[in-house]
Amino acid sequence: GDSVTQTEGLVTLTEGLPVMLNCTYQTIYSNPFLFWYVQHLNESPRLLLKSFTDNKRTEHQGFHATLHKSSSSFHLQKSSAQLSDSALYYCALRRMNTGGLSGKLTFGEGTQVTVIS
Amino acid sequence: NSKVIQTPRYLVKGQGQKAKMRCIPEKGHPVVFWYQQNKNNEFKFLINFQNQEVLQQIDMTEKRFSAECPSNSPCSLEIQSSEAGDSALYLCASSRLGGEDTQYFGPGTRLLVL
Repeated sequence: GDSVTQTEGLVTLTEGLPVMLNCTYQTIYSNPFLFWYVQHLNESPRLLLKSFTDNKRTEHQGFHATLHKSSSSFHLQKSSAQLSDSALYYCALRRMNTGGLSGKLTFGEGTQVTVIS
Repeated sequence: NSKVIQTPRYLVKGQGQKAKMRCIPEKGHPVVFWYQQNKNNEFKFLINFQNQEVLQQIDMTEKRFSAECPSNSPCSLEIQSSEAGDSALYLCASSRLGGEDTQYFGPGTRLLVL
């Protein structure tokens, strides 16, 4: 089946420094949809970014990511971390099931980001 | 912001008891998903529906878990005989049709099985 790998379980960084969270995936599906969700404490996951276009940068709320199918990667980056960025970040993959029906999300293990002043 | 409604927010049950939770998807979203997020924050897909029809479900769901999305009523997920290992956050998500369409999550039902 599909799988998503996030290599960093815990990331602690100082406010103002850049953030990069790694995400790689495995799927036999040639056109996967990749997502980054953010989950703040005691909240539910909320979409941060999504992409299905190879080599196209997508941006939202200061974060950006580029889907690279050649390396099966969808790393998340931000140039300057803020205290409010402290949260759990999940990379997720979705494929279209047969018949064009929407498939389930396969989540990575998550990365807990803590930004300190 | 998500408009998915989940009730109750918290549920406490004894082992062997039934546990039932409900979800109202966002208006216009025919696809509904149930996920379990355990204490290690790992996600597990349970089941999904398109309108009233089951699209996919995992083996675990077929045994003790049951779910439905009746027409004009909230969707529901029920655990027939709760076990301690079922303690988790149960998240309902809904989306429009299409793989690129975002799944919007509700606030979740946090189940504690004593």
